[in-house]
Amino acid sequence: NAGVMQNPRHLVRRRGQEARLRCSPMKGHSHVYWYRQLPEEGLKFMVYLQKENIIDESGMPKERFSAEFPKEGPSILRIQQVVRGDSAAYFCASSPKRGTDTQYFGPGTRLTVL
Amino acid sequence: QQQVKQSPQSLIVQKGGISIINCAYENTAFDYFPWYQQFPGKGPALLIAIRPDVSEKKEGRFTISFNKSAKQFSLHIMDSQPGDSATYFCAARVGNNNDMRFGAGTRLTVKP
Repeated sequence: NAGVMQNPRHLVRRRGQEARLRCSPMKGHSHVYWYRQLPEEGLKFMVYLQKENIIDESGMPKERFSAEFPKEGPSILRIQQVVRGDSAAYFCASSPKRGTDTQYFGPGTRLTVL
Repeated sequence: QQQVKQSPQSLIVQKGGISIINCAYENTAFDYFPWYQQFPGKGPALLIAIRPDVSEKKEGRFTISFNKSAKQFSLHIMDSQPGDSATYFCAARVGNNNDMRFGAGTRLTVKP
């Protein structure tokens, strides 16, 4: 049973470009969470999605960031017009249903903005 | 606003010693307190977790102690091994929303 998959593992973008980060949850999981980890810091919650629905986006910056989890395919975290401060590791986690204790994390995407 | 405060930032322990990491929280609505272990270049992995209706939970060499009145919980690693060297995060969750609030992490180094 494959775990949470994220790609790419490393992404380099120049300022002003767009970054697309993909997350495929574990099989049978319909809930996805995105977190951002800055160097030497803990993970910061960004957004919680179910299939075709955003449940909680209270941790998402108001501009340039968006997330989706379509009926088919992976969840996408999209960052438009990236800036150097967006450089971080972005992790997604999945769980089988709301209220489940355990979240399973992917290996992360390390975004570097030049 | 940091809702979960973790200390120390870094910890060095000799092999065979006890590693202790502490966390404090403010929001009394938190109802689930997991600890995650993260190795360099990897995602966090659930290590052990506790609910506030118990004061202690033990799994192998790992123990969580929970003090509800003080709003504190801690991770104890007995007989620490070099393979335990990693960054440890405490976290807390509110109800069914599933979004975790993480501490800033503790980098543990166990010296042989």
